[in-house]
Amino acid sequence: AAGVIQSPRHLIKEKRETATLKCYPIPRHDTVYWYQQGPGQDPQFLISFYEKMQSDKGSIPDRFSAQQFSDYHSELNMSSLELGDSALYFCASSSRQDKELFFGEGSRLTVL
Amino acid sequence: AQSVAQPEDQVNVAEGNPLTVKCTYSVSGNPYLFWYVQYPNRGLQFLLKYITGDNLVKGSYGFEAEFNKSQTSFHLKKPSALVSDSALYFCAEGYNFNKFYFGSGTKLNVKP
Repeated sequence: AAGVIQSPRHLIKEKRETATLKCYPIPRHDTVYWYQQGPGQDPQFLISFYEKMQSDKGSIPDRFSAQQFSDYHSELNMSSLELGDSALYFCASSSRQDKELFFGEGSRLTVL
Repeated sequence: AQSVAQPEDQVNVAEGNPLTVKCTYSVSGNPYLFWYVQYPNRGLQFLLKYITGDNLVKGSYGFEAEFNKSQTSFHLKKPSALVSDSALYFCAEGYNFNKFYFGSGTKLNVKP
């Protein structure tokens, strides 16, 4: 069965650089979520999109932005990277009709 | 405010013994509750969910969970633990499908 696809799986950046993470949800899922998981931490909700519109916003820094495109894939853009942005970034997708919620394998960002 | 608590940082159990990983939630109304398992440097794998209906939910790999509204709990259980069940377990809850909150995680150690 198709799963949530995230790319890249690993990314190394320098401080003050920019990074873009991509997420391809499960086909026919209508909602995409972004989460940030720091070392030894639980996943923290950043932002979600339902049918390409922002549906909720969590603890997402102003330096970060995200959007969902017409083909339902989503991108998380992170600028002016800081050491503290080093984390595992998860994308999840859901079907509100089927009440499913599945996660991708994550993108590990390391900021040096 | 919505929140979910996992009161135990770590649970130790011998292989073959039953295991319980605790989770309590505080959202009012009818919550959506999920359990996920995370292996090192991997994504969150779906185990089971409670949406509505029977309080006892059966999931993947022999896991089950019981929704208890009076105690606002959704404990994860398995009758006979395997060494391969050793991992990090997260409980998540949401009131709608706009966002989900995670507990702090419980590390399960199953010893041979």
